[in-house]
Amino acid sequence: EVQLVESGGGLVQPGGSLRLSCAASGFTFSASSMSWVRQAPGQGLEWVSAITPGSETTYYADSVRGRFTVSRDNSRNTLFLQIDSLRADDTAVYYCAKGGFYDHWGQGTLVTVSS
Amino acid sequence: EIVLTQSPGTLSLSPGEGATLSCRASQSVSSGLFAWYQQKPGQAPRLLLYGTSNRATGIPDRFIGSGSGTDFTLTISRLEPEDFAVYYCHQIERSPRTFGQGTKMEIK
Repeated sequence: EVQLVESGGGLVQPGGSLRLSCAASGFTFSASSMSWVRQAPGQGLEWVSAITPGSETTYYADSVRGRFTVSRDNSRNTLFLQIDSLRADDTAVYYCAKGGFYDHWGQGTLVTVSS
Repeated sequence: EIVLTQSPGTLSLSPGEGATLSCRASQSVSSGLFAWYQQKPGQAPRLLLYGTSNRATGIPDRFIGSGSGTDFTLTISRLEPEDFAVYYCHQIERSPRTFGQGTKMEIK
């Protein structure tokens, strides 16, 4: 059974940093592209970032480029999102998702940016 | 950036009726690079259709996707109570990948 479990969210002050993790199991993680998608409270889905299976290429939404960094550790079956210079409008549930089309999603981790 | 515009914003229907949801792209999207997702309150989204018309695992055949270029459609025949949710279209043709703003389907 495919499982994606996010962690690392929490309350952080504007300008702060967090590192989100997504632990994957039940599939060949090293062969799958992975993505992060976020959803602000009461809002729609916003694609954030993606990474190819071997970390050759990373992709970012304009709203996060330069502040967010996606990475992965295929030996630990884990996806990461380093988020720096956090702003209030980064407040959202952050989901990790598997594949080019997201056939599996985690349950999400909530990031709240507030002073 | 490819902007996806969904219509209508809200659809009020009764169980047993059919539904048609539209998604228009600001630039042409290859059919193989287009998808639909369903999201229920408090849950993560679920993949419904990928490559425009291919149903994901476990998706019933009342969900039908069609379209090409800049116009895509999700048709749901014979609505079941569990179909009332928010639906999002999505393209992976070009980075940044984008989602539509969503269509909320509610019980009339």
